[in-house]
Amino acid sequence: GESVGLHLPTLSVQEGDNSIINCAYSNSASDYFIWYKQESGKGPQFIIDIRSNMDKRQGQRVTVLLNKTVKHLSLQIAATQPGDSAVYFCAERPPQPYSGYSTLTFGKGTMLLVSP
Amino acid sequence: EAGVAQSPRYKIIEKRQSVAFWCNPISGHATLYWYQQILGQGPKLLIQFQNNGVVDDSQLPKDRFSAERLKGVDSTLKIQPAKLEDSAVYLCASSLVGTRITDTQYFGPGTRLTVL
Repeated sequence: GESVGLHLPTLSVQEGDNSIINCAYSNSASDYFIWYKQESGKGPQFIIDIRSNMDKRQGQRVTVLLNKTVKHLSLQIAATQPGDSAVYFCAERPPQPYSGYSTLTFGKGTMLLVSP
Repeated sequence: EAGVAQSPRYKIIEKRQSVAFWCNPISGHATLYWYQQILGQGPKLLIQFQNNGVVDDSQLPKDRFSAERLKGVDSTLKIQPAKLEDSAVYLCASSLVGTRITDTQYFGPGTRLTVL
């Protein structure tokens, strides 16, 4: 189940289950979204991305869904494995009309715990 | 392809001391980012370089933090003097171009700073 811990929301699942991690983003004009995975002691690692003109994108075992109406992003992981245990962050790219450069704003993260 | 390199990996200092972090981005990447990640939170952008020029330092506490990327490759981030609230992981990331919407940022392992 999903619970809110002292620092991070935590999702605990069994190996082989499907996992769904949710994210509410802040800027309705953001045009690009990314999911990152961060294991303990490491930097964030790119998982999958989606542009705002799409509502679904699939990768290997992962799917990202985008609902712009309610500013919601989700990451679905199929057949979750113990190696998927990590903190997952969503990031959005707000519009940068002046600089033109790509700057990301990260969400707070969700910890995924997969038990064998 | 080598990833983003950072050093040191860990640093413990006392408040009011100075500290410097080093980053070597992926070869050929024009854009370099420094993020601060406080425990339990997502990374927060401190400064973004395009080659050796600054394109965004709006969230850098300029009274104590400074960063440079003199030759458009390696970068250093300095804190002088450090405060207790500077305890965090400092992440360096790089991307190929910086201006494309889908320009992926690749992160280094980070430097964990503890200020006592």
